[in-house]
Amino acid sequence: DVKVTQSSRYLVKRTGEKVFLECVQDMDHENMFWYRQDPGLGLRLIYFSYDVKMKEKGDIPEGYSVSREKKERFSLILESASTNQTSMYLCASSPRDINEQYFGPGTRLTVT
Amino acid sequence: LAKTTQPISMDSYEGQEVNITCSHNNIATNDYITWYQQFPSQGPRFIIQGYKTKVTNEVASLFIPADRKSSTLSLPRVSLSDTAVYYCLVGSGNQGGKLIFGQGTELSVKP
Repeated sequence: DVKVTQSSRYLVKRTGEKVFLECVQDMDHENMFWYRQDPGLGLRLIYFSYDVKMKEKGDIPEGYSVSREKKERFSLILESASTNQTSMYLCASSPRDINEQYFGPGTRLTVT
Repeated sequence: LAKTTQPISMDSYEGQEVNITCSHNNIATNDYITWYQQFPSQGPRFIIQGYKTKVTNEVASLFIPADRKSSTLSLPRVSLSDTAVYYCLVGSGNQGGKLIFGQGTELSVKP
């Protein structure tokens, strides 16, 4: 079974802090994704990566950056956390066919 | 990318067959139709994918008419544990492409 793990299930940070969310997959997938999920808005793509050191912006990249130095690891960075970034963050990976994505358990981030 | 439209919510009872329809009028020739299931506080889980006609696996069936402008996810004999949000996605599956998760359909199964 594909396993996607995220570094934390729950995280509380203060406004202005730099936040790192880590995601690791064990299936040698080319593609990795970061989404956020908010009530009434569904899942929204922040960034995705189709190879090491390669990334593309999703629908809501503002306020976020990403890093993919190794194939199995994809990090989401909030340079200066703000309260409107309080959300559930979901990481996913997929083989070449991005229709088949495997999601991690999510990190619920609260920014106070 | 083709936008999808599906009902916001549905109710059912245990043992019934549930059909959730998704419309995707602007589906492209290379696009596949994929359905995901999401339980509260968990990430979505891939259920089934199809291109045309009918696909069946151990979890569900997917019906796609010839014009491919809609699709129907069929869950046979649902149980309480099928209560979840179901998402319909349309995309080509190629690297560099993007998927759009819409609002999903919140299915509530009652005893």
